[in-house]
Amino acid sequence: QLQLQESGPGLVKPSETLSLICSVSGDSISSTSYSWGWVRQPPGKGLEWLGTVSYGGSPYYSPSLSSRVSMSVDTSNNQFSLKMTSVTAADTAVFYCVRHDGGSWYFPFDYWGRGILVTVSS
Amino acid sequence: DTQMTQSPSSLSASVGDRVTITCRASQVISNYLAWFQQKPGKAPKSLIYAASRLQSEVPSRFSGSGSGTHFTLTISSLQPEDFATYYCQQYNSFPPTFGGGSKVEI
Repeated sequence: QLQLQESGPGLVKPSETLSLICSVSGDSISSTSYSWGWVRQPPGKGLEWLGTVSYGGSPYYSPSLSSRVSMSVDTSNNQFSLKMTSVTAADTAVFYCVRHDGGSWYFPFDYWGRGILVTVSS
Repeated sequence: DTQMTQSPSSLSASVGDRVTITCRASQVISNYLAWFQQKPGKAPKSLIYAASRLQSEVPSRFSGSGSGTHFTLTISSLQPEDFATYYCQQYNSFPPTFGGGSKVEI
């Protein structure tokens, strides 16, 4: 059974960089059958796709965030990461890592992590 | 971006009721439509992909239909564990986008 687990600081100061890791267990992140993404949800609001990355493939980022977001795959630790620069209070959200049942953004999600709340505040 | 509009935004129902939620896309998305269930304080759970295909271990009382711009999620007989918020999502056009959610309450 695949499991995804987000980790990282729960509090980030404004203008700093948010960094999260998603640890994958139950499958190899270097499988070309899947890709890996991030979705966020501000408190009390809806879901927003942030981007998708795959082993050996190009990352895809939400156009509204592409100047601030980067993602990468770490095969040695079977994990992938999200970095978001210059954060503001509007970036406060629960961040979920997800797996796409295919090699790019145009495949559906099948698994979700439990999520991690990141608050942007001084 | 493709806008996804769900209706209703909330509904009240009873155990045993048949419930239908609608999702409309602002442009044709073929059948590249997924549905998710989210309970308070929990991560979303994938229910349906390709508009009508159930993810593994999803009860058969859930069904999806539609193609093009109009889609529906139906729960044939509402169970106590089905009270949650449901989201649709298109993955046909870049970037993938979600509907605003439909809350099913007692």
